[in-house]
Amino acid sequence: GQQLNQSPQSMFIQEGEDVSMNCTSSSIFNTWLWYKQDPGEGPVLLIALYKAGELTSNGRLTAQFGITRKDSFLNISASIPSDVGIYFCAGQEIYNQGGKLIFGQGTELSVKP
Amino acid sequence: ETGVTQTPRHLVMGMTNKKSLKCEQHLGHNAMYWYKQSAKKPLELMFVYSLEERVENNSVPSRFSPECPNSSHLFLHLHTLQPEDSALYLCASSPDRVQETQYFGPGTRLLVL
Repeated sequence: GQQLNQSPQSMFIQEGEDVSMNCTSSSIFNTWLWYKQDPGEGPVLLIALYKAGELTSNGRLTAQFGITRKDSFLNISASIPSDVGIYFCAGQEIYNQGGKLIFGQGTELSVKP
Repeated sequence: ETGVTQTPRHLVMGMTNKKSLKCEQHLGHNAMYWYKQSAKKPLELMFVYSLEERVENNSVPSRFSPECPNSSHLFLHLHTLQPEDSALYLCASSPDRVQETQYFGPGTRLLVL
């Protein structure tokens, strides 16, 4: 089945550092979503992107919809301990696969105070 | 209550038991989903309901049986599960199937002994 390649798989950073993660796909998506999941909880939507080239911020988080429609990245600036968790990208093809949402494998972020 | 709620949050069951997971969404959405999340694996879509009609079943074993009595409620009936079925089961909803910005519940952590 179709997959997204999300990298890195894990990150260990110092509090205050900036973080960058990305997702790539072999096919074109019409929507990119970024979620964060805390341990024992469900994923929470952080940012939704609907247009190629779109750059959207949510506080210290910034995400972009790649111009080729095959990738997206998420940046976190000035990380804090509560940023710890697993970050998932998800992409959707509207015209194929019935609009199914495809998830990346996740990036596990650890922040050292 | 707001958003997507799931009960129970934790469940331990034997292989011969019958149990049900419940999901309720308070967002006025028309589509609801069941996902399975196992450790170190991407989210696996199990079932999709749109306007109370099952529109997708991703080759899920018959020991999992979904039910959607109305657009706000979704159940997952469990019967004679296997230990490998132990996972976090997540419910999600979206405004409709085409625009799949999905909002997740907190999940039910299931352990099959």
